[in-house]
Amino acid sequence: KNEVEQSPQNLTAQEGEFITINCSYSVGISALHWLQQHPGGGIVSLFMLSSGKKKHGRLIATINIQEKHSSLHITASHPRDSAVYICAVIIGNQFYFGTGTSLTVIP
Amino acid sequence: GAVVSQHPSRVICKSGTSVKIECRSLDFQATTMFWYRQFPKQSLMLMATSNEGSKATYEQGVEKDKFLINHASLTLSTLTVTSAHPEDSSFYICGPADGVTQYFGPGTRLLVL
Repeated sequence: KNEVEQSPQNLTAQEGEFITINCSYSVGISALHWLQQHPGGGIVSLFMLSSGKKKHGRLIATINIQEKHSSLHITASHPRDSAVYICAVIIGNQFYFGTGTSLTVIP
Repeated sequence: GAVVSQHPSRVICKSGTSVKIECRSLDFQATTMFWYRQFPKQSLMLMATSNEGSKATYEQGVEKDKFLINHASLTLSTLTVTSAHPEDSSFYICGPADGVTQYFGPGTRLLVL
């Protein structure tokens, strides 16, 4: 049983397109992270959310606690956004990770 | 934002040798340290959790005698892969937490020949 489900698994977009990546989880959480992993493996934490919406540059993350769902949006996508995006939730004292969404943005 | 360093970033070693990976939180105190492992095309998997000055708690299936974790200070934790074998080749990521926020190190890619 996977506590965290992400979709889509793979996503190819043209430069400039608006991108949405979804994350659903099955139990109550204390917080949710969106992570970015570039080729080569380095991980960057983009957002930590427990409610509402956060925005940083072209990235927007939202969470709906009642529906147990979060989305990561990228506006005006760029080839440098190509990476794997991972949703991670904190349940109790432990992290559970989604399988990731591999995004490729084509010039 | 918080700065986390891991060293080395990449290591290649022979089978049977031990490899030590350091994780440092440079501008905050990590009261808890999580160590993760990621195999190719898979998600991160939690290996163990340690609190400063305490013994680490290992996840099921992770051998504590093989993956030695030391969290002796609030800014430094080490993971030692003892007697490494090719199946230990993976991407190891530390996750220091300050009690409020979890951060992630940039990772160490281990290749055991």
